[in-house]
Amino acid sequence: DVKVTQSSRYLVKRTGEKVFLECVQDMDHENMFWYRQDPGLGLRLIYFSYDVKMKEKGDIPEGYSVSREKKERFSLILESASTNQTSMYLCASRRRTKTGELFFGEGSRLTVL
Amino acid sequence: AQTVTQSQPEMSVQEAETVTLSCTYDTSESDYYLFWYKQPPSRQMILVIRQEAYKQQNATENRFSVNFQKAAKSFSLKISDSQLGDAAMYFCAYRSFNAGGTSYGKLTFGQGTILTVHP
Repeated sequence: DVKVTQSSRYLVKRTGEKVFLECVQDMDHENMFWYRQDPGLGLRLIYFSYDVKMKEKGDIPEGYSVSREKKERFSLILESASTNQTSMYLCASRRRTKTGELFFGEGSRLTVL
Repeated sequence: AQTVTQSQPEMSVQEAETVTLSCTYDTSESDYYLFWYKQPPSRQMILVIRQEAYKQQNATENRFSVNFQKAAKSFSLKISDSQLGDAAMYFCAYRSFNAGGTSYGKLTFGQGTILTVHP
């Protein structure tokens, strides 16, 4: 079975803290994504990576950075967390083919106080 | 840029009945993929069904089928014989068909529709 694992299901952080959200996939997928899910807004793409050390901004990259040092791992970093970054964060991965299906992790719910 | 709109924040259906979830999208591209994803409560998102825009035939997966109207840019999901396990949030999504480059694979999602199934 394919697996995308997000390190934390629930996190509570304080404003200004640095936050790391980790995502690991075991399918040797080239492409990995970080989405943010908010009620009424659906999923919005923060960043994605198409290979090791390669990344591109999505639609809402402000306040976030990412790291992909190994193919299986894609990290989302909030340098200085703010309350408006309270959200559900979803990691996903797919093989870099035309028909490659997107597989999701279970999500990380972040609360910033 | 492409946009995807789901105008029904919530829908409900009786068990064993049929329900249709609506989705419209906007694009200037002629080739693309459309998807419906299901997100059960506290569980991960899974793919329900996929439609290639160049195929005229509507996709079907067991009790799930789509009504794809390319000219109208409409992509609705029909769930037949609804079951309690169908209760979830459903997302419509769009993906470009571009032949290469680093950006293909990005999905644009709609706002989601919460489906409640009543016993």
